[in-house]
Amino acid sequence: GAGVSQSPRYKVAKRGQDVALRCDPISGHVSLFWYQQALGQGPEFLTYFQNEAQLDKSGLPSDRFFAERPEGSVSTLKIQRTQQEDSAVYLCASSFGQGYGYTFGSGTRLTVV
Amino acid sequence: GENVEQHPSTLSVQEGDSAVIKCTYSDSASNYFPWYKQELGKRPQLIIDIRSNVGEKKDQRIAVTLNKTAKHFSLHITETQPEDSAVYFCAAPRSGSARQLTFGSGTQLTVLP
Repeated sequence: GAGVSQSPRYKVAKRGQDVALRCDPISGHVSLFWYQQALGQGPEFLTYFQNEAQLDKSGLPSDRFFAERPEGSVSTLKIQRTQQEDSAVYLCASSFGQGYGYTFGSGTRLTVV
Repeated sequence: GENVEQHPSTLSVQEGDSAVIKCTYSDSASNYFPWYKQELGKRPQLIIDIRSNVGEKKDQRIAVTLNKTAKHFSLHITETQPEDSAVYFCAAPRSGSARQLTFGSGTQLTVLP
């Protein structure tokens, strides 16, 4: 596709439920990033992939968060045993090569009830 | 790691006036400074960026200036229009030349008709 595609667009999860968020980057983009954006705040870095290699996961807030990109294209962010503080918009971004020129997806709005 | 501070948090201007948003950063090794515009419920979109080897960059009504000595950079929007109303985020590399970005907390710009 022409842009970064994320699904689902909205997700409501009961506390304790596991969720999986999908990101389909722009074709050929080597770098893929996940960010978390709380209401009224700027995006905060979670993790970074270069192709299939996860080069930085220092932003993941706990071991309940896990991300993968097994074939170097589509990525999945998984959150286990969701808690209310996980409620946020999860943004995926990709860029060509190792450049800075991010293109963000529209995000997945996760609400934990 | 990088620390980015952004102000003001809200800014209202009359249509046709100029708007200025300022950011400071902490890591003197940072070499790339983008600005993103985010309309309500939409993805952040890159509107302009600057690298540390230049002091100013312009694109039509938008300009960014960088003062490396003082470690601050600013977004200037001239001849503002109602469609400029949005939240604007500045960012800097999370540490040195990293591709991951640290974002400011955002400025809600409202252009009054």
